[in-house]
Amino acid sequence: DVKVTQSSRYLVKRTGEKVFLECVQDMDHENMFWYRQDPGLGLRLIYFSYDVKMKEKGDIPEGYSVSREKKERFSLILESASTNQTSMYLCASSLSGEVTGRHGETQYFGPGTRLLVL
Amino acid sequence: GIQVEQSPPDLILQEGANSTLRCNFSDSVNNLQWFHQNPWGQLINLFYIPSGTKQNGRLSATTVATERYSLLYISSSQTTDSGVYFCAVGRDDKIIFGKGTRLHILP
Repeated sequence: DVKVTQSSRYLVKRTGEKVFLECVQDMDHENMFWYRQDPGLGLRLIYFSYDVKMKEKGDIPEGYSVSREKKERFSLILESASTNQTSMYLCASSLSGEVTGRHGETQYFGPGTRLLVL
Repeated sequence: GIQVEQSPPDLILQEGANSTLRCNFSDSVNNLQWFHQNPWGQLINLFYIPSGTKQNGRLSATTVATERYSLLYISSSQTTDSGVYFCAVGRDDKIIFGKGTRLHILP
């Protein structure tokens, strides 16, 4: 079974702090994704990566950066956390597909990190 | 961009009932997935189904790509089926999630 793990289930940070969220997958997937989920807004894509050291902006990249130094690990960085970044953060991974392009087919999600910024 | 609409937004059913959840999308897609998010927030992939029909136990899904909709069927509902069901579609390196259907199964 594919396993996607996230470094923390719950995190409390203060405004202005630098925050690192880590995601690790164990199935050699090329693609990795970071989403945030907010009530009434659903899941929104922040960044994705289709290869080591590659990254592409999703729909809401402002205030975030990412790092993918190794294939299995994809990190989301909040350079200076703000209260409007309080949210549930979900990481996912997938294999690339010829038809489906760089997003691949089936996405496998981690358990999520609930971040509260005070 | 592609619009994804799910219906109904909320559904309350008695244990043992059957249900049909719908996902409409506004343009052609090459990726369609159904997910279940349990009350603890974990998203589980149910089906990858850009077209055709698939079945897995009490769950089945059908996508009619030419008419731009997909249906998720849940038969003989159990309380563990409660949660939010999301449809996600993809095209041109974009994946868009619907807002979900919140399902409550009463014992």
